[in-house]
Amino acid sequence: DQQVKQNSPSLSVQEGRISILNCDYTNSMFDYFLWYKKYPAEGPTFLISISSIKDKNEDGRFTVFLNKSAKHLSLHIVPSQPGDSAVYFCAASVRVGMLTFGGGTRLMVKP
Amino acid sequence: EPEVTQTPSHQVTQMGQEVILRCVPISNHLYFYWYRQILGQKVEFLVSFYNNEISEKSEIFDDQFSVERPDGSNFTLKIRSTKLEDSAMYFCASSWDRTSYEQYFGPGTRLTVT
Repeated sequence: DQQVKQNSPSLSVQEGRISILNCDYTNSMFDYFLWYKKYPAEGPTFLISISSIKDKNEDGRFTVFLNKSAKHLSLHIVPSQPGDSAVYFCAASVRVGMLTFGGGTRLMVKP
Repeated sequence: EPEVTQTPSHQVTQMGQEVILRCVPISNHLYFYWYRQILGQKVEFLVSFYNNEISEKSEIFDDQFSVERPDGSNFTLKIRSTKLEDSAMYFCASSWDRTSYEQYFGPGTRLTVT
């Protein structure tokens, strides 16, 4: 099942710089997208979401951009902090209920 | 801050045994889910549960699996006869209701089948 893909398994960024995490999807029926952060030995933590009727949603240091024509979304973290080091998952939903997850991107923010 | 809790954190069982994984969703949430993540693979949806019945289930959720809300707080996943390939992290999640996309996850139960 490759409906949601995160092509970069890892990303390393300097503290204070921007982190950009990318996600691509194939199912045009997806109408809602979410980003989760996961630390080792913990469950995914909800970060930010976006409806398909929008192209941007911002919450503090986190901004999600959606490009429906390209079936692409990205998560921007500005400025990046060492505590942001975690695995980030994008997820998508056709309707309320089942989430389809990407494979995750491990972000390392270096002090 | 309210959170989803899961017990046990780690369960080791022998192949063919029954296991019950327990979850306490956030108290005023009405929609409940189970997901699993096999080591090195994606988080996969198993089942959703609303109003005391299954709303949706994936192909993974076969007759060996069942879910139950035995009381007002617990939500359980039972695997009747475990197989080696059931070894995974199992995550419970909950959301407000059927209009809410955002799901809140518990810390997971690591199931090891030997």
